[in-house]
Amino acid sequence: QKEVEQDPGPLSVPEGAIVSLNCTYSNSAFQYFMWYRQYSRKGPELLMYTYSSGNKEDGRFTAQVDKSSKYISLFIRDSQPSDSATYLCALSKAGNNRKLIWGLGTSLAVNP
Amino acid sequence: NAGVTQTPKFQVLKTGQSMTLQCAQDMNHEYMSWYRQDPGMGLRLIHYSVGAGITDQGEVPNGYNVSRSTTEDFPLRLLSAAPSQTSVYFCASSFRTSYQETQYFGPGTRLLVL
Repeated sequence: QKEVEQDPGPLSVPEGAIVSLNCTYSNSAFQYFMWYRQYSRKGPELLMYTYSSGNKEDGRFTAQVDKSSKYISLFIRDSQPSDSATYLCALSKAGNNRKLIWGLGTSLAVNP
Repeated sequence: NAGVTQTPKFQVLKTGQSMTLQCAQDMNHEYMSWYRQDPGMGLRLIHYSVGAGITDQGEVPNGYNVSRSTTEDFPLRLLSAAPSQTSVYFCASSFRTSYQETQYFGPGTRLLVL
């Protein structure tokens, strides 16, 4: 079983839709939860960073962590064509050795 | 700030050839890493460094060497290229606090090994 599972999609939605992207994980030692966005032929860029359980909001983006269910989500409100990209979740544990464990990424297309 | 730069952007090699992928960052980050990204496999860590003179292996280190003589540069060497090394390679540098880490990625190098 992989440490992090993420549905690769592709996910196709109309402009203005609410998008929900999800990852599940198996190791309760993960403490840091990140979402990266990767445009085609570009490197990933950090979108959201959360520590422990709860919600974090940044503009149209909300990151949610449910440690009891080992489930993390990224919500995009009022989705735009410019949100079309691959979204990767990344998790790490506490301590000095904080290597990132990556999901495979979900490909999202927002259609105008 | 240029951030993280990688050269070349694209390279074609023949099996058995060697080459060096260059990576540089101007953010004074201590932590740097190399990943490869393949369809269906995601990002996989090849090697990483926690500072000048210190490197360690990641998940898929075989066939690759690294060195870190300066904070800024972290080159990745392919010793004897194989078709299985056809991939997109990303270099990243990290800014860390006690409870947050942000990885900054370069634009990638697309490598084709024939």
